Amino acid sequence: QVQLRESGPQVVKSWETLALTCSVSGGAINSYSWNWIRQSAGKGLEWIGRIYSNGNTNYNASLESRVTMSIDTSRRQFSLKLTSVTAADTAMYFCTGRGILTGMHYWGQGALVTVSS
Amino acid sequence: QSVLTQPPSVSAAPGQKVTISCSGSTSNIGKNSVSWFQQLPGTAPKVLTYADNKRPSAIPDRFSASKSGTSATLDITGLQTGDEADYYCATWDNSLSALVFGGGTKLTVL
Repeated sequence: QVQLRESGPQVVKSWETLALTCSVSGGAINSYSWNWIRQSAGKGLEWIGRIYSNGNTNYNASLESRVTMSIDTSRRQFSLKLTSVTAADTAMYFCTGRGILTGMHYWGQGALVTVSS
Repeated sequence: QSVLTQPPSVSAAPGQKVTISCSGSTSNIGKNSVSWFQQLPGTAPKVLTYADNKRPSAIPDRFSASKSGTSATLDITGLQTGDEADYYCATWDNSLSALVFGGGTKLTVL
C-alpha cells in the first residue's frame, strides 16, 4: 500500500515561489508516476504535472512556464516548485502516485497553500 | 471548461441507482483507461475505480464503471446518504500530454 504525505509552507507571499514536498512510503518508486494535483476552493481538480523515477516530466501547459518538479529516489520524495504565485494559486495541493502498469491511484491528504499579498 | 464532460449534478433516492456519465474524445477516453474518484466534503479524493472498471478491494461492488468508445459511466446502486459527494472521472489525454479531469458531478441522495 502506497502512502503519501505533503509538506511545505501553508502561506506563500505573492510573486514568491511555492515549494512542496511529497514523502512516499510503500511501493516501488519506479513503478509509479508521481503527480501533483490542485483544487481551488469550490472548484474541480487540476493536474499540475507528473514525474517519473528517472526524472522525466510532463507539465500542464497552462502552468509549464512556472512549474518545476524533481525527485529524490533515495529519500523517496518528490517535489513541486511553482514560481511567481498569485492569489489564483491558492488551493489544496495533492500529491498522488499512479501505478504505471496497474493504473491504480494513491492520494496524499492534501496541503492547503494560501497566497498572501 | 473541462476536457471531459460530466453532468454538474445528479440526484436519486436512497436505495435507488444513479449513473454518472463522462464524455471525452478519441485522444483521451477513446485511447486510455478511465478512473473515477469520490470526494467527500473536506477530504482528499478516493479512487473508486481505475483501469476502466477495476475496483480497489475496499470499494463495495455497489460502485461499478464501464467504458464504451469515447464515453465512460459510473453506476452506483443501493444509494446511501453517505454517498453524497463529488465524483470525478479522469484519464490521460494523448494530444495534451496531460492527465485530464471531468468538471465533477455532485451527487445528492434525496
